[in-house]
Amino acid sequence: DSGVTQTPKHLITATGQRVTLRCSPRSGDLSVYWYQQSLDQGLQFLIQYYNGEERAKGNILERFSAQQFPDLHSELNLSSLELGDSALYFCASSVGGQAYEQYFGPGTRLTVT
Amino acid sequence: DQQVKQNSPSLSVQEGRISILNCDYTNSMFDYFLWYKKYPAEGPTFLISISSIKDKNEDGRFTVFLNKSAKHLSLHIVPSQPGDSAVYFCAARSMGNTPLVFGKGTRLSVIA
Repeated sequence: DSGVTQTPKHLITATGQRVTLRCSPRSGDLSVYWYQQSLDQGLQFLIQYYNGEERAKGNILERFSAQQFPDLHSELNLSSLELGDSALYFCASSVGGQAYEQYFGPGTRLTVT
Repeated sequence: DQQVKQNSPSLSVQEGRISILNCDYTNSMFDYFLWYKKYPAEGPTFLISISSIKDKNEDGRFTVFLNKSAKHLSLHIVPSQPGDSAVYFCAARSMGNTPLVFGKGTRLSVIA
């Protein structure tokens, strides 16, 4: 158990809809990272928050947004969903703002039908 | 353009033997490399890392080797155990606040 929690575990929704994925980092970690893993792909970095502020941005679509709240939990919002958004979404956390060892949650499997 | 490549999608090894997982990278600015292990239905778990100032780092049965001139790193697992069966991801980052870049992973099967 990494100490990072993600909810929900599974999500099935229709095209055009909007969903919110939630992540609670390990106790004491200030950084939260979001990754997308599509079929047969590696982990694609989406976005990082550090202590409530956006720190780094990767290949995140404009339809996607994230935020980190004062209690350090984070939410990833995915809107106008398309079939191609079906993937595993992982959240990771680390103590500092630099991306060294990160601790991953179990992921949320999103299926868009 | 894939900056971190794991060219073997899968590897099968007998229990007790050595497993060697390989990773190549193209970005010469990468200065820190990590290996993660992932079991089904779980998130990746950090395994071992190496800084570019070293060429070897060891942790128990796991050793990572870095060849900077060849832009190549490898993970050796000795001896391999059935519980090592998982997908292994290689990752790298460059200095400054840059994100980790992951390879696509290699599925290791250790056969008893």
